Amino acid sequence: AQSVTQPDIHITVSEGASLELRCNYSYGATPYLFWYVQSPGQGLQLLLKYFSGDTLVQGIKGFEAEFKRSQSSFNLRKPSVHWSDAAEYFCAVGGGILTGGGNKLTFGTGTQLKVEL
Amino acid sequence: DTEVTQTPKHLVMGMTNKKSLKCEQHMGHRAMYWYKQKAKKPPELMFVYSYEKLSINESVPSRFSPECPNSSLLNLHLHALQPEDSALYLCASSQERLAGVREQYFGPGTRLTVT
Repeated sequence: AQSVTQPDIHITVSEGASLELRCNYSYGATPYLFWYVQSPGQGLQLLLKYFSGDTLVQGIKGFEAEFKRSQSSFNLRKPSVHWSDAAEYFCAVGGGILTGGGNKLTFGTGTQLKVEL
Repeated sequence: DTEVTQTPKHLVMGMTNKKSLKCEQHMGHRAMYWYKQKAKKPPELMFVYSYEKLSINESVPSRFSPECPNSSLLNLHLHALQPEDSALYLCASSQERLAGVREQYFGPGTRLTVT
């Protein structure tokens, strides 16, 4: 069964500092990996995705993530954090096509990012 | 356009009420999803529709009844809910591709409070 671990429940960084959010996954085949961001009371916004190819993927809002198969990791990074980046961040793995159609995402428990001004 | 819309934004209902949540997308996606999200938790999958047919029901109580009237619309009918059903209900959609998983696009959610 697939699973996702986000080891950090809360992270606080200063505005302008760099950021790295950790994500480890467990999946038997080639994983489809995603990072989503959620502001309070809002839906989830897709930041970036990894399906195959280049292991460093660029996303929206200046975020990037690196897929490391040997470490089963897909960490999210940003070189300089803005106060507006404060939100909940979810890593997710896609587990293949469902028999009846559609696909199922398994989410990590999330990391709450606080940005200090 | 990667927009999924949901109405209403907020809903307060009593335990004997009947109400419906609505979701719409115009991205041509043929897979649509309902999720339930409690505070400080990740979304939990409830239902998956593929080509307007129910693909997955994650053992959701029958007081939640999904409906997919066409490829753009997804409804969630609510009846005799319990206070513990209070949550943020998220709709999502994705392309259907036989070859692999596709990203899901989420709506802003409906904040449901059951009194």
